[in-house]
Amino acid sequence: DTEVTQTPKHLVMGMTNKKSLKCEQHMGHRAMYWYKQKAKKPPELMFVYSYEKLSINESVPSRFSPECPNSSLLNLHLHALQPEDSALYLCASSQENLGGELFFGEGSRLTVL
Amino acid sequence: QKEVEQNSGPLSVPEGAIASLNCTYSDRGSQSFFWYRQYSGKSPELIMSIYSNGDKEDGRFTAQLNKASQYVSLLIRDSQPSDSATYLCAVKTPPGAGSYQLTFGKGTKLSVIP
Repeated sequence: DTEVTQTPKHLVMGMTNKKSLKCEQHMGHRAMYWYKQKAKKPPELMFVYSYEKLSINESVPSRFSPECPNSSLLNLHLHALQPEDSALYLCASSQENLGGELFFGEGSRLTVL
Repeated sequence: QKEVEQNSGPLSVPEGAIASLNCTYSDRGSQSFFWYRQYSGKSPELIMSIYSNGDKEDGRFTAQLNKASQYVSLLIRDSQPSDSATYLCAVKTPPGAGSYQLTFGKGTKLSVIP
């Protein structure tokens, strides 16, 4: 059983929709991450939250908007996405601030029509 | 540009054999090294971390690190069909101001043949 939970597991949305991906970790970790992964590619870092503050934004388009309501929750708000944004979106957490031992959730597979 | 190189494979080994997965990295300042396993359609799972030169063993897995050669490897003994997955090497360099550097390789696809 994973201790990083992501919902929904699958999401299909149109280019004009607004939706959100949610992540919750029950590990007491200090850092939380959003990654994007396309097929047959490694994960690409999007955002890092450290102690509930956005510490890293890897020049992600503004149609992706992260939010960290508290130390256990991480959201990714989606608006006006493009078909090329279709991917597996992975949430991860780590005990060490900006650590390398990442614990990933199962991911949310997003399809943009 | 920090680089982590892996042979994309596929690497095919017979069941019961030793699978050897290799990774090289470009930044000599790298300090921490990780192996993640990713089954098709699933998320990555951390299986090994190594921080100092030498070998680190955990069950059937052994990670090997040689910082002088900028080389890290993963050995899987007694390979099982359930080990068939893509293995991602990840390398972390010390963060600078406002930066976070965990670089993933492109992954090696391992296929264990029954």
